[in-house]
Amino acid sequence: DIQMTQSPSTLSASVGDRVTITCRASQNIRSLLAWYQQKPGKAPKLLISEASSLESGVPSRFSGSGSGTEFTLTISSLQPDDFASYYCQQYKSFWTFGQGTKVQFK
Amino acid sequence: EVQLVESGGGLVQPGRSLRLSCSASGFTFGDCAMSWVRQAPGKGLEWVSFIRTKAYGGTPEYAASVKGRFITSRDDSKSIAYLQMNSLKTEDTAVYFCTRVLTGIDAFDIWGQGTMVTVSS
Repeated sequence: DIQMTQSPSTLSASVGDRVTITCRASQNIRSLLAWYQQKPGKAPKLLISEASSLESGVPSRFSGSGSGTEFTLTISSLQPDDFASYYCQQYKSFWTFGQGTKVQFK
Repeated sequence: EVQLVESGGGLVQPGRSLRLSCSASGFTFGDCAMSWVRQAPGKGLEWVSFIRTKAYGGTPEYAASVKGRFITSRDDSKSIAYLQMNSLKTEDTAVYFCTRVLTGIDAFDIWGQGTMVTVSS
């Protein structure tokens, strides 16, 4: 099984901050990685697939990078609507999610 | 509008069964693989099951935690996916989301609102 490790678990930030979340895979998953945003009581929303491909309608302040085992999600300038939890997911071998990163107000 | 709507959740005793339904609209259901994901209260996301399109055999896959207890199926004529949950355990308590698998990419691009399943005596 492929394990996904996200860091940090919680991130305190302010509006306008540049935010980076890291995701590590236990084995090479090439670029078969997605990022999701989830707000309390809501379903997750797909932000990025193929490690760096932004889904339609997702603001350009979101970006993804990496391949192999190391990946990052970057929010270039945090907006009030971005305070949420973020999950990475590998889909090279079935599906595994990272444990999540909660972005909260500093 | 592309939409998935889950139903069938509720309170059930350990060892009993429950069937969830996922009704799809706004897209050609038969052309899309589907998956179920769950989230225990206050916890992260866990993939549960997947079902291929009929063109690829309509065969299912399961997470180890539910294999042998859960059965996923689909009725393309009704645009509905099902998750039959048997021999339920307290650790199956979660919100269950139905998702569409993005064709050719395998990420989950459309999610339902979720249905809560509580397993408790």
